[in-house]
Amino acid sequence: AQSVSQHNHHVILSEAASLELGCNYSYGGTVNLFWYVQYPGQHLQLLLKYFSGDPLVKGIKGFEAEFIKSKFSFNLRKPSVQWSDTAEYFCAVNALGGGFKTIFGAGTRLFVKA
Amino acid sequence: NAGVTQTPKFQVLKTGQSMTLQCAQDMNHNSMYWYRQDPGMGLRLIYYSASEGTTDKGEVPNGYNVSRLNKREFSLRLESAAPSQTSVYFCASRRGDTYGYTFGSGTRLTVV
Repeated sequence: AQSVSQHNHHVILSEAASLELGCNYSYGGTVNLFWYVQYPGQHLQLLLKYFSGDPLVKGIKGFEAEFIKSKFSFNLRKPSVQWSDTAEYFCAVNALGGGFKTIFGAGTRLFVKA
Repeated sequence: NAGVTQTPKFQVLKTGQSMTLQCAQDMNHNSMYWYRQDPGMGLRLIYYSASEGTTDKGEVPNGYNVSRLNKREFSLRLESAAPSQTSVYFCASRRGDTYGYTFGSGTRLTVV
């Protein structure tokens, strides 16, 4: 069965610090990968996605993620965080041929100190 | 604006009561989904509908039923609410596997 693991449940950073959130998945076949962000009190919004091509994908608000197939990883990065990046971040995996189901990680809460 | 609309936004139920959560999308998406979000557990799929006229169980379907009324609407029904169903419920839709979800704003349900 597919699963998604996000290593850090809570991360606290100061503004301008660099961010990397880990995400690993378990599935041996072809996958589509996503990162979503949920700002306090809001619904989830898509940050970026990977389904083929360049393994380094860029999303909105300066975020990027790198797909490393050999490590089953899809880590999210941002060179310099802002206070407004305070939110919860979810990694998600959709396996091709796995039907229409997407599996979400448990989420990482990021708090950025001003 | 185009998107996913959910109603109600908040609801308090007594144990044993029933209710239906409504969801509608105006993006002409074929597939629609119901997730529940609980602290520390991410989002778990309750039911989904790959296309109009079809529905399938997700990870946590027990205690729920769904109806895909037409291409736009996908409702979630709790027949006899239990405290374990206290959660935030999100409806979502998407164009296909390689596209991300568009989520509704959520329904915060408390069962007492």
